[in-house]
Amino acid sequence: DSGVTQTPKHLITATGQRVTLRCSPRSGDLSVYWYQQSLDQGLQFLIQYYNGEERAKGNILERFSAQQFPDLHSELNLSSLELGDSALYFCASSALWTAGNTIYFGEGSWLTVV
Amino acid sequence: AQTVTQSQPEMSVQEAETVTLSCTYDTSESDYYLFWYKQPPSRQMILVIRQEAYKQQNATENRFSVNFQKAAKSFSLKISDSQLGDAAMYFCAYRSPISGSRLTFGEGTQLTVNP
Repeated sequence: DSGVTQTPKHLITATGQRVTLRCSPRSGDLSVYWYQQSLDQGLQFLIQYYNGEERAKGNILERFSAQQFPDLHSELNLSSLELGDSALYFCASSALWTAGNTIYFGEGSWLTVV
Repeated sequence: AQTVTQSQPEMSVQEAETVTLSCTYDTSESDYYLFWYKQPPSRQMILVIRQEAYKQQNATENRFSVNFQKAAKSFSLKISDSQLGDAAMYFCAYRSPISGSRLTFGEGTQLTVNP
């Protein structure tokens, strides 16, 4: 158990809908990362937050947004869903944002868009 | 931008034998970190081992060790005494001290362990 908690574990929704994925980082970790893992794109970095502030942005679509709250949990919002958004979405956390800190992953949220 | 390449989509090994998974990366940075993560069928991403670029000594964690060749930009993972539980997808990853310290992953190598 990495200590990173993601909910829901599985989600099935229809095209055009909006969903919210939730992440609780390891106790004390200030940095949260979101990754998308799909069959054809591999593991893609979406976005990083550090202590409530956006720190880095990767290949995140405009239809997607995220935030980190004062209690350090994070949410990834996916809207106007398309079939191609079906993927495993990982949240990960590290103590600080610096590279020497190990990144620990949650178990992921499986999103299926039908 | 940094890139990570795993040239072996699939590998297999007999139980109790040794296998080496390859990884190369491209970077202009001198200071960085390298990781191997394991993803079993449960899809959980599990850290296997990490290597700091400034350290010349290769990292070792029990049956797992790396061969880090900084000049060649190579970072291979050796699994000794392979066990059935080692069967998984293995990802090599690069982490830069800049760019938000995100992890950049390779494509992965699917390891099968035969009894």
